[in-house]
Amino acid sequence: KAGVTQTPRYLIKTRGQQVTLSCSPISGHRSVSWYQQTPGQGLQFLFEYFSETQRNKGNFPGRFSGRQFSNSRSEMNVSTLELGDSALYLCASASGLTGPGELFFGEGSRLTVL
Amino acid sequence: AQTVTQSQPEMSVQEAETVTLSCTYDTSESDYYLFWYKQPPSRQMILVIRQEAYKQQNATENRFSVNFQKAAKSFSLKISDSQLGDAAMYFCAYPSQETSGSRLTFGEGTQLTVNP
Repeated sequence: KAGVTQTPRYLIKTRGQQVTLSCSPISGHRSVSWYQQTPGQGLQFLFEYFSETQRNKGNFPGRFSGRQFSNSRSEMNVSTLELGDSALYLCASASGLTGPGELFFGEGSRLTVL
Repeated sequence: AQTVTQSQPEMSVQEAETVTLSCTYDTSESDYYLFWYKQPPSRQMILVIRQEAYKQQNATENRFSVNFQKAAKSFSLKISDSQLGDAAMYFCAYPSQETSGSRLTFGEGTQLTVNP
């Protein structure tokens, strides 16, 4: 069974640009969550999508957005990038039907903002 | 709001020895789960062990076990017979019941070094 796949693994952007990250969950999983990991703030929850609907949202500005497609693949977008957005962005999938269950994480997308 | 605290930023252990990582949490929920996740240098987080609060018996997974003290809100992880492959960042995590468990509150993490 394939794991959670995140693309791209690494990317470099400049301030003011926007970025889109992609996450393919484990087959059959309908819940996709996104987390931001930084040395200063640690792991912080961004949002969760379940069956194409945002089910939960963390305390991030509106520049951070996401969506989920009918095949459960998810994308997150960050607009007007700031230096502080440099982070490892982790995606996690779960069945989403009963909880709380184990979250399966991808290897992350490392974003550097210059 | 739930909070999770790991007071040991770094720990080290000799290969084959035992180490205990500490975690405390705060919650107003009466029934909940607690997790320990491991993040090795490859960065992929994997679940190490899970504890259900209503179960009095401490969870065990091979060399990994927990000491769950519900009244004290303490959830420590014991690694026995430590191996080089255990070297990683370990995170204690609390899944919010209000969000179907998908929203994890993580502790700050403990970097574990295993010395040969």
